[in-house]
Amino acid sequence: EVQLVESGGDLVQPGGSLTLSCAASGFTFSNYWMTWVRQAPGKGLEWVANIKQDGSEKYYVDSVKGRFTISRDNAKNSLFLQMSSLRAEDTAVYYCSRGVPTGVDYFDYWGQGALVTVSS
Amino acid sequence: QSALTQPRSVSGSPGQSVTISCTGTSSDVGGYNYVSWYQQHPGKAPKLMFSDVAKRPSGVPDRFSGSKSGNTASLTISGLQAEDEADYYCCSYAGSYTLVFGGGTKLTVL
Repeated sequence: EVQLVESGGDLVQPGGSLTLSCAASGFTFSNYWMTWVRQAPGKGLEWVANIKQDGSEKYYVDSVKGRFTISRDNAKNSLFLQMSSLRAEDTAVYYCSRGVPTGVDYFDYWGQGALVTVSS
Repeated sequence: QSALTQPRSVSGSPGQSVTISCTGTSSDVGGYNYVSWYQQHPGKAPKLMFSDVAKRPSGVPDRFSGSKSGNTASLTISGLQAEDEADYYCCSYAGSYTLVFGGGTKLTVL
């Protein structure tokens, strides 16, 4: 059974940093693109970042470029999102999701989400 | 990276059909057959309902169907059931390994 379990969500002050983790199981993690998607309270979904199977390619939504870094550790079946210079508008539930081997056309499995609150 | 346009809400009675539209541009919806749809119940993670415009994953009832014409994709639900009440989001590939979601549509089953 495919499982994605996020952790690391917390309350952080504006300008602060936080790293989210996603533990994957039930599939060959190194065969898939992986993605972070976020959802602000009461709002819609927003794609945040993608990473290729070997970590050689990473892509970001404009609003987080230069502040967020997506990475992965295939040996530990883990996906990460390092967030810095956090702003109030980054407050959201962050979902880890699985892409497909050929790219990121769609996301077939999602974690339960990790809540990040940016507030003083 | 502008969000795709969806109606904020749609409604229908049990047994009826509803269609949710998702309008983008030639740079996203109209340029690729990589439109997906997600269903989200309150407090839950999104669930994939369609990939590649009209491919239904196993487990999704065939009451659900997906289509696309030009820059607009559509999700149609026939024979509405109470459990279909949820938020629905479209998503499109937008080139250069980026994606864009729609603003979401709240489906109410009357």
